[in-house]
Amino acid sequence: GAGVSQTPSNKVTEKGKYVELRCDPISGHTALYWYRQSLGQGPEFLIYFQGTGAADDSGLPNDRFFAVRPEGSVSTLKIQRTERGDSAVYLCASSPGGVNTEAFFGQGTRLTVV
Amino acid sequence: GIQVEQSPPDLILQEGANSTLRCNFSDSVNNLQWFHQNPWGQLINLFYIPSGTKQNGRLSATTVATERYSLLYISSSQTTDSGVYFCAVALRNQAGTALIFGKGTTLSVSS
Repeated sequence: GAGVSQTPSNKVTEKGKYVELRCDPISGHTALYWYRQSLGQGPEFLIYFQGTGAADDSGLPNDRFFAVRPEGSVSTLKIQRTERGDSAVYLCASSPGGVNTEAFFGQGTRLTVV
Repeated sequence: GIQVEQSPPDLILQEGANSTLRCNFSDSVNNLQWFHQNPWGQLINLFYIPSGTKQNGRLSATTVATERYSLLYISSSQTTDSGVYFCAVALRNQAGTALIFGKGTTLSVSS
């Protein structure tokens, strides 16, 4: 596609529920990144994929967070047993190569856990 | 881990003024990008500039990698320049490390 696309734009869920956030990267980009941004803060790194594999998942806060990219294109960030502290904007980015290439961001998914 | 510090944290300008935003980083980097986050939350790419100088219209940027800082210049500011400006870097010696962001500079331009 022309840019990085994230769906849904907004998601409201109840505490304890499971959510999935989707990211469709720029066509041909091999690297994909997930970030989380809380109000007034800079984006915080969660996980980085190179192709289908997670090259760096050191930013995932705990085992309730998981991400997949089974075919090396679309990625899904999965959050189990959501907590109110998970409320944030989740951003996805892609780049044509590794971390040394220019990354482009989607518009984000605003997750609200009530 | 790497430290990315941006200054000033907040900046208020009158339309037409010039400004300089600074980004200091604590280690050698392979990637440095400047972004503008608009009021709707979209991160817009301004510059990919691990070293050297680039210009795009009223904006220009310089990265001095050996001294571990980058500067973003905004000339003749407009109200549409308002928003948060982020610097983000990726470490030179850790190939698997993604972009790490500073806390940003919030710019407000009034007419």
